[in-house]
Amino acid sequence: EAQVTQNPRYLITVTGKKLTVTCSQNMNHEYMSWYRQDPGLGLRQIYYSMNVEVTDKGDVPEGYKVSRKEKRNFPLILESPSPNQTSLYFCASRRTGGGKLFFGSGTQLSVL
Amino acid sequence: AQRVTQPEKLLSVFKGAPVELKCNYSYSGSPELFWYVQYSRQRLQLLLRHISRESIKGFTADLNKGETSFHLKKPFAQEEDSAMYYCALLSGGYQKVTFGTGTKLQVIP
Repeated sequence: EAQVTQNPRYLITVTGKKLTVTCSQNMNHEYMSWYRQDPGLGLRQIYYSMNVEVTDKGDVPEGYKVSRKEKRNFPLILESPSPNQTSLYFCASRRTGGGKLFFGSGTQLSVL
Repeated sequence: AQRVTQPEKLLSVFKGAPVELKCNYSYSGSPELFWYVQYSRQRLQLLLRHISRESIKGFTADLNKGETSFHLKKPFAQEEDSAMYYCALLSGGYQKVTFGTGTKLQVIP
């Protein structure tokens, strides 16, 4: 089954403790991206990647890092999480050249 | 810079009534526009893509370049249509996807 898999589904952590949210897709998509969803603000793009070793900032990249060492994986790294990063995070992928985004099931992150 | 505006945070309609969810965009190039739907904080799913001009679950959307709008319409709302709806714009050589802030559709039985 074609899908985007995110882990974990829920995560509670404390300020300053590094964490990684994983994202994997099995559709051989070149394009992958991360979004955060906040009430009243909709979805905002954090980072995206056009292909392996090619990443770029979205609208709200501060406090986040990403890497794209393999085509299928696109982890989101929070080196020193802060409470304002408490949010619902979605990973998505699609083929190059446009078309619909396939979304993961989301990761609800709470930073205390 | 591109921008997507969904002016209504919440739209409440009665079952069987017509629905129109508004979406306006700002983009200097040729836009590719989508509607995504999210049921109860689940993952987003594609509802419509303007290029395909499909009708999904009774919803349609027409791109109006003159008014820079891509409103989502359905003639008769159903209870199962209650969800968050996001309008999205693909731009920048297919790199950037900009979402609107979303409209929550509430269908009253």
